[in-house]
Amino acid sequence: DVKVTQSSRYLVKRTGEKVFLECVQDMDHENMFWYRQDPGLGLRLIYFSYDVKMKEKGDIPEGYSVSREKKERFSLILESASTNQTSMYLCASSFLTGMDNEQFFGPGTRLTVL
Amino acid sequence: DAKTTQPPSMDCAEGRAANLPCNHSTISGNEYVYWYRQIHSQGPQYIIHGLKNNETNEMASLIITEDRKSSTLILPHATLRDTAVYYCIVRAHNAGNNRKLIWGLGTSLAVNP
Repeated sequence: DVKVTQSSRYLVKRTGEKVFLECVQDMDHENMFWYRQDPGLGLRLIYFSYDVKMKEKGDIPEGYSVSREKKERFSLILESASTNQTSMYLCASSFLTGMDNEQFFGPGTRLTVL
Repeated sequence: DAKTTQPPSMDCAEGRAANLPCNHSTISGNEYVYWYRQIHSQGPQYIIHGLKNNETNEMASLIITEDRKSSTLILPHATLRDTAVYYCIVRAHNAGNNRKLIWGLGTSLAVNP
């Protein structure tokens, strides 16, 4: 079974803290993605990476950075957490190209910033 | 990628077929139709995709109209565990472009006992 795991299901942080969200996949996928999901707004892409050390901004990258030092691991970093970053964060992975290039999602991390 | 339109919510009786519609009138020739679903408190899960022929797998069937401007996802015998938000997405299989899926708000399907 394909597995995408995220480091925490629930996280509570304080405003101004540096926050790391970790994602690991075991399918040797080239692509990895970070989304946030908010009520009424759906899933919005923050960043994605198509190779080690490569990254591209998604639709809402402000306030976030990412790191991909190994193929299987993609980290989302909130340099200085703010209350408007309270959200559900979802990681996904997929093959780079190909016909059956579905995205596989992790269970999500619900982050609350106080 | 083309935009999709889905009803915000639907109900279905347990054991009956659930037919979830999706309009994608601006779809272009190289764009596929994908369906995902998201059960409460979980990440989205891939269901099925197709280009122009109808498709079926162990989870669902996908019916795409001949002009490709709309499609229907069919869950033939809905169960309570099928209660979820269902997303219809269209995107191209361009080389090196398995990147962005544009997610709408989907259809919230409630399967009732």
